Amino acid sequence: DAGVTQSPTHLIKTRGQQVTLRCSPKSGHDTVSWYQQALGQGPQFIFQYYEEEERQRGNFPDRFSGHQFPNYSSELNVNALLLGDSALYLCASSLAPGNTEAFFGQGTRLTVV
Amino acid sequence: AQSVAQPEDQVNVAEGNPLTVKCTYSVSGNPYLFWYVQYPNRGLQFLLKYITGDNLVKGSYGFEAEFNKSQTSFHLKKPSALVSDSALYFCAVRDGNNFNKFYFGSGTKLNVKP
Repeated sequence: DAGVTQSPTHLIKTRGQQVTLRCSPKSGHDTVSWYQQALGQGPQFIFQYYEEEERQRGNFPDRFSGHQFPNYSSELNVNALLLGDSALYLCASSLAPGNTEAFFGQGTRLTVV
Repeated sequence: AQSVAQPEDQVNVAEGNPLTVKCTYSVSGNPYLFWYVQYPNRGLQFLLKYITGDNLVKGSYGFEAEFNKSQTSFHLKKPSALVSDSALYFCAVRDGNNFNKFYFGSGTKLNVKP
């Protein structure tokens, strides 16, 4: 079992550009959430996808959008990048519903210059 | 609203000594509490969780956590620290209404010295 996989691992973008990050959930998991972890901080919830729909959203602007595909994989898109978007972006998957833990990928390190 | 607080940015302990990493929480409803560990340039790894039942929860790598409802705490403990335990530790509470939304603390860096 490959666990949660994210791509790419590192990315450098210029302010104003757009970026797409990808996540494949752990085998059998149907729910994907995205988190932003700024340097020195804990992860902050961006949004969650289940059954190809955004189910809940954290306090992030509309520049952050996502998608879930029929195979449960997911993308995170960020438009009009700002320097402050530089962070580690983590994808987490789990089974829904249930009191299970979330399994996290290794993250994508995004640097905006 | 759900939140967790980790009052210590850093904890230093000598190898072989017991360690405690503190966490307090604030939730509406029943608390679903978790500990995760993060090694440099890595994602988060699950250590343990409290959903219901015994207040002492045992997890991976010899870690355990004690749930204390009256003090709203969920401290992470290990009887004998290893140098390899040095990492960043996050306490998290799961949203009671959302099965995959977690609120994380700011993290505590654990340094275990030989």
